[in-house]
Formats: sequence, C-alpha cells, structure tokens
Amino acid sequence: KQEVTQIPAALSVPEGENLVLNCSFTDSAIYNLQWFRQDPGKGLTSLLLIQSSQREQTSGRLNASLDKSSGRSTLYIAASQPGDSATYLCAVPHGSGNTGKLIFGQGTTLQVKP
Amino acid sequence: DTEVTQTPKHLVMGMTNKKSLKCEQHMGHRAMYWYKQKAKKPPELMFVYSYEKLSINESVPSRFSPECPNSSLLNLHLHALQPEDSALYLCASSQVSISNQPQHFGDGTRLSIL
Repeated sequence: KQEVTQIPAALSVPEGENLVLNCSFTDSAIYNLQWFRQDPGKGLTSLLLIQSSQREQTSGRLNASLDKSSGRSTLYIAASQPGDSATYLCAVPHGSGNTGKLIFGQGTTLQVKP
Repeated sequence: DTEVTQTPKHLVMGMTNKKSLKCEQHMGHRAMYWYKQKAKKPPELMFVYSYEKLSINESVPSRFSPECPNSSLLNLHLHALQPEDSALYLCASSQVSISNQPQHFGDGTRLSIL
C-alpha cells in the first residue's frame, strides 16, 4: 500500500531564504509526482508535475526533483517571499495511474516572515 | 481566478435539509472529481466521473449523491447529512482521468451541518 509522507509538518523562515520541502513515498513504482499549493480556505493549485522518466521540473523560483529509487521528491523554493506562505502538498497516483485517483501527503505549512 | 467554479462558497444546513453543490468547468476536460477535506488534512477522494460516467465511488455514504448532467457540470446532492460531514468540498477536473494529467481545483464549498 502506497504511503506518502511530508516532513516537516510546518516550517517558518525569514523572507529571502532558500528552502526545501520534502516528500517521501513507500512504493517506488510511481508514474509521476505532483506538487500542489493550497492557500487557507482555497482549493489546490498544481505547481509542478514530474513524470517518472524525469529527474526534475522547474517553474520560476520553484524546482522539484524526483528520485524514484530512493522514494523521494523535494520542492526547492528560491528567494522565498511572504506570498509563498501556504500549505504545500505532494501526491502520487494510486495503483496503475489510470483512474485519476491521487494519494496525498499530509502537507507542509510554510510561513515566510517579512 | 480559478477555472473551476464552485457554488455556493458557503453552505449551512440542518441534518434534515436537502441541498446541492455545483461545479462547472469550461476547459473541455472529460474527467471531474469530488473531494472532501477536513481541517489540516489532505483532500480525500469521493467520486470520479470520466466522460460523464461514474468511474470511482470511494465507498461514500448514500447521503451524498453525485450527478454529472454534461461534460461541464458536476453536482453533489446532499440529504440527511451528519455533523461529521462538515468540511470543505472541492471539485476538480482534468483532461482525462489518468494521473499524468494535472488536476485543476475549484475553491470549494465550505459546508457546515447544524
């Protein structure tokens, strides 16, 4: 049974710092991994989707890496800003990946202080 | 602004009421999803519709009844809910219901059961 874990549960950093969020999964046979952002009381915004054949994806100040063999992904945020404050969730497909069902981690709540 | 629109944003109802949550997308996506999210927890999948047909029902109680009138609309009919059903209900869509397609989420309906 696939399990997804995110550590730490919460993180507080001063503005301008570079930071790394961690995601680990127990079954390395994944098709892809997605990172989402959720602002309080809002829905999820898809940030990056890394296919199993890829090692990393970049979008602006965000860089996500994937190491299937070790069951890990990281989300690197460069030069953090107060507007980056949110909960970040990673998710992997359930089973064969042909249903759309995702297994989410518990999330890391990030606070960037001005 | 999100491309998936959910109405209403907030709903307070008694346990004997009947109400409906609505979700609409105009991105031409053929897969739509309902999730339930409790505070400080990740979303839990409830239902998946693929090409207007129900493809996944995650053993959700019958007091929740989904409906997909067409490819752009998804409803969730509520009847005789319990206080523990109070949560944020999120709708999402993707091009098709395979997991290499990113899911686009609405901002949710905040449901409170009295």
